[in-house]
Amino acid sequence: EPEVTQTPSHQVTQMGQEVILRCVPISNHLYFYWYRQILGQKVEFLVSFYNNEISEKSEIFDDQFSVERPDGSNFTLKIRSTKLEDSAMYFCASVRDSQGHGELFFGEGSRLTVL
Amino acid sequence: GQQVMQIPQYQHVQEGEDFTTYCNSSTTLSNIQWYKQRPGGHPVFLIQLVKSGEVKKQKRLTFQFGEAKKNSSLHITATQTTDVGTYFCAGGNNAGNMLTFGGGTRLMVKP
Repeated sequence: EPEVTQTPSHQVTQMGQEVILRCVPISNHLYFYWYRQILGQKVEFLVSFYNNEISEKSEIFDDQFSVERPDGSNFTLKIRSTKLEDSAMYFCASVRDSQGHGELFFGEGSRLTVL
Repeated sequence: GQQVMQIPQYQHVQEGEDFTTYCNSSTTLSNIQWYKQRPGGHPVFLIQLVKSGEVKKQKRLTFQFGEAKKNSSLHITATQTTDVGTYFCAGGNNAGNMLTFGGGTRLMVKP
């Protein structure tokens, strides 16, 4: 069964460092998302991406965040200068539908720890 | 902005007992989805409801979408230890394609 894959599974970084989280969405999916989940809390929307551009973004997704699809498969989330409060599990998700509706397929997540 | 609330936050049940989690949105939803997240895992899609008053069943799970499309519930009959996890509702609106997740209900089942 096709799945969304994410790397790394866990990253520890110093405050102020740049971090890139990588995702390979399911190959025939059209909409891609990043969500984050602070430990024990709810899943929060960060950004959606379609046709090589940002479709929607939340207030959390400030200038420190950026997304890119550098090639036909990878979808990356970059945090330029990490803060302590960026520590969370970051989930990539993809949707097959061209409107971004329907089932979200989540990856297993990348746990980011900022020290 | 749109807010989605879920109650209860936690529920301990004895195996075999029923369980219900409730979801309420501050705004009318275009659809609602339910996800299950096992401890240490990622959210896994359970179902999507689109129509006002819709009821769907999956084995022991029953999902409802309210008439006003602002609330939803998930009911599990005769819980099993495999039902353990956090159940999230997630609401969509017509303005875009993002889902707003509720805070989740963590279900613990005692054997």
